[in-house]
Amino acid sequence: QKEVEQNSGPLSVPEGAIASLNCTYSDRGSQSFFWYRQYSGKSPELIMSIYSNGDKEDGRFTAQLNKASQYVSLLIRDSQPSDSATYLCAVNPIGGATNKLIFGTGTLLAVQP
Amino acid sequence: GAVVSQHPSWVICKSGTSVKIECRSLDFQATTMFWYRQFPKQSLMLMATSNEGSKATYEQGVEKDKFLINHASLTLSTLTVTSAHPEDSSFYICSARDLKGQPSNQPQHFGDGTRLSIL
Repeated sequence: QKEVEQNSGPLSVPEGAIASLNCTYSDRGSQSFFWYRQYSGKSPELIMSIYSNGDKEDGRFTAQLNKASQYVSLLIRDSQPSDSATYLCAVNPIGGATNKLIFGTGTLLAVQP
Repeated sequence: GAVVSQHPSWVICKSGTSVKIECRSLDFQATTMFWYRQFPKQSLMLMATSNEGSKATYEQGVEKDKFLINHASLTLSTLTVTSAHPEDSSFYICSARDLKGQPSNQPQHFGDGTRLSIL
């Protein structure tokens, strides 16, 4: 079983819609969770971090964490074509002394104009 | 804040050449930096964890003699691809975590990556 799982997509949404990206993780004791965006040919950039159960909002982005169900999601409101990218979920597992993040394989989001 | 600079951006060189890639944290200190490799349309693959003042920790299957890592200061880690061959052509990306704050809550900040092409 993969430690961090994401649907590879592509997830296609029309411009202006809400894009919902999901991620599940296997280490129940994981404490910190991150969403990165990676444009084609570029390196990942940090979008959001979340540490507590519930929602965390930042502009058009909302991260949701449910530790009991071991999933974290990212909602993108009013999706724009410029949001088209691969979204990587990353988890810091319990006991990660070197704080090595475990990355999912990413979900490709395509926002259709 | 949290800027990571990676140099060079592009390298094209002949087979057998050794190539050094630098990763610098510009506005924070990092005891730990990470080196990734990414092939086209594939996911990030962690190669090694670079530890300031000590030996790097390599992931399974990564040759430590092939990929030399040096982390001599709190702001600089280098990756040297020794005797590079065409199969080493890839996108190499470094990341760093801020030394300050609770370690488990600190995200990794990525450099812009180095595209390596071995002819």
